[in-house]
Amino acid sequence: QKEVEQNSGPLSVPEGAIASLNCTYSDRVSQSFFWYRQYSGKSPELIMSIYSNGDKEDGRFTAQLNKASQYVSLLIRDSQPSDSATYLCAVNPNTGNQFYFGTGTSLTVIP
Amino acid sequence: DAGVIQSPRHEVTEMGQEVTLRCKPISGHNSLFWYRQTMMRGLELLIYFNNNVPIDDSGMPEDRFSAKMPNASFSTLKIQPSEPRDSAVYFCASSPTRINQPQHFGDGTRLSIL
Repeated sequence: QKEVEQNSGPLSVPEGAIASLNCTYSDRVSQSFFWYRQYSGKSPELIMSIYSNGDKEDGRFTAQLNKASQYVSLLIRDSQPSDSATYLCAVNPNTGNQFYFGTGTSLTVIP
Repeated sequence: DAGVIQSPRHEVTEMGQEVTLRCKPISGHNSLFWYRQTMMRGLELLIYFNNNVPIDDSGMPEDRFSAKMPNASFSTLKIQPSEPRDSAVYFCASSPTRINQPQHFGDGTRLSIL
């Protein structure tokens, strides 16, 4: 079993809709969770971090964490074509400062 | 503030040649990570350093790969001899050493071995 699992997609949503991206992790003691956005041919860019159960909002982005169920999700409201990218979930297992990355979910926002 | 700086951005070389990738972390970040990304395997951690000391090199594929961090502002990843299957994008990332801190990525080196 991989440490971090994501649905690879592709996920397509119409412009203006809510895009929902999900991630599960295996290490129950993990404490910190991150979402990165990666445009084609570019490097991963940090967009959200979350450390506590519940929701964290930043503009159109909301990260949700449920440690009991070991999942973290990213919601993108009012999706724009510029949100089309691959979204990587990263988990810090709390045994060091390395991350475990998921394989990413490809999102396409259709105008 | 300058981000993580990698060089070269692109490298094309023939099989058997030595390849050296370079990375300058963000000033004040004491953890440095080398990753490889391919379509098939995604983002793989090769090695990481804390305070210039290698902590985990279990992701280094084989003895042809080596990494050094002689000081807090410079690291190299070397492949010798290179093989076509080493073709990938190699990213360097840095973070503060404190736990729970996000990593920040450089622009990557796109490596093609012919």
